[in-house]
Amino acid sequence: GAVVSQHPSRVICKSGTSVKIECRSLDFQATTMFWYRQFPKQSLMLMATSNEGSKATYEQGVEKDKFLINHASLTLSTLTVTSAHPEDSSFYICSARGQEEAFFGQGTRLTVV
Amino acid sequence: AQSVTQLGSHVSVSEGALVLLRCNYSSSVPPYLFWYVQYPNQGLQLLLKYTSAATLVKGINGFEAEFKKSETSFHLTKPSAHMSDAAEYFCAVSEQMNRDDKIIFGKGTRLHILP
Repeated sequence: GAVVSQHPSRVICKSGTSVKIECRSLDFQATTMFWYRQFPKQSLMLMATSNEGSKATYEQGVEKDKFLINHASLTLSTLTVTSAHPEDSSFYICSARGQEEAFFGQGTRLTVV
Repeated sequence: AQSVTQLGSHVSVSEGALVLLRCNYSSSVPPYLFWYVQYPNQGLQLLLKYTSAATLVKGINGFEAEFKKSETSFHLTKPSAHMSDAAEYFCAVSEQMNRDDKIIFGKGTRLHILP
């Protein structure tokens, strides 16, 4: 079946630095990808919809200047957490929808120290 | 806007007992409904989905769910729990089954299996 690959799986960064997370659809083209954030023991909260070749659509309350999304090709979307702070520490998961179901990356555990 | 409500953030059942995880949905159009399972520090795995075909949906690992429009419910069941079923379960809804439509998740239910 279709696979979505997310990289890195874990990252630790210093406060104030930026971190880039990649999400690739391996065997299908994804004009749209989705980025979710998950706090410990909580649900997945949709952050933004990434659209190939155009600007991402952010959910209410998500800072677009802090969470930069780029979807430059049909198989790659990136999420950059800029000027990271400890409160940005979380589990980030990307998703791409195939014909009948959504496929999820394995997630990225971001820890900001 | 669509939403799902999962009743019970934690559910404990004995090994071999019936598993019942509850989900109610809200949608302005006929919904597409999903159940996903998540193991610690991993992504999500699809258990089953409802796409307006049969109301009783069978999924992987012995799970099934029944779509009841009158009750706006899509509860997940498994006749006999196994220790390996311990995980977080998410009910989710989408208004359309196309590549551009987002999926909205419930808050999740952590399933504990007692030996």
